[in-house]
Amino acid sequence: QKEVEQDPGPLSVPEGAIVSLNCTYSNSAFQYFMWYRQYSRKGPELLMYTYSSGNKEDGRFTAQVDKSSKYISLFIRDSQPSDSATYLCAMSRSTSGTYKYIFGTGTRLKVLA
Amino acid sequence: GAVVSQHPSWVICKSGTSVKIECRSLDFQATTMFWYRQFPKQSLMLMATSNEGSKATYEQGVEKDKFLINHASLTLSTLTVTSAHPEDSSFYICSARPQGEAYNEQFFGPGTRLTVL
Repeated sequence: QKEVEQDPGPLSVPEGAIVSLNCTYSNSAFQYFMWYRQYSRKGPELLMYTYSSGNKEDGRFTAQVDKSSKYISLFIRDSQPSDSATYLCAMSRSTSGTYKYIFGTGTRLKVLA
Repeated sequence: GAVVSQHPSWVICKSGTSVKIECRSLDFQATTMFWYRQFPKQSLMLMATSNEGSKATYEQGVEKDKFLINHASLTLSTLTVTSAHPEDSSFYICSARPQGEAYNEQFFGPGTRLTVL
């Protein structure tokens, strides 16, 4: 079983839709939870960063963490064609004093105009 | 702020040659840098953790003699793929963790696409 599971998609939605992206994890030692956006052939760009259960909002993006269920989500409101990208969840835990990131496989999102 | 650059952005080399990839933190000092590899339509896989002034720590299954990492300064880490083969063709991404940060945020570079013929 992978430590982090993420549906690879692809996910196609019409412009203006609310998008829900999810990841589950198995290791309760994860302390920090991140969402990254990656355009084709580019490096990942940080969207959201959380460390506790609950919701965190930033513009059209809302990150949700449920540590009891080992489940995190990213919601995108009023989705735009420019949101079309791969969305990666990442989690980190301390390993010998260094926080290493474990990434999900990424979900490819396509927002149709 | 918190910009990480990589050079080159893409490289094509012949099988058996070595390729060096540079990772620089442009506006901050990074005690720790990380090297990832990403195959098409797959996620980022951590290859190694590089700490300034000390030997890199490699993840299980990553050959340290093939992927040489040097972190000689607080702003520069290099990854050298030695005796490259076609199966080493991949997207290599580095990240840097700012010095002294209380949390663990990493800032990612734009990646280097390596094609081995």
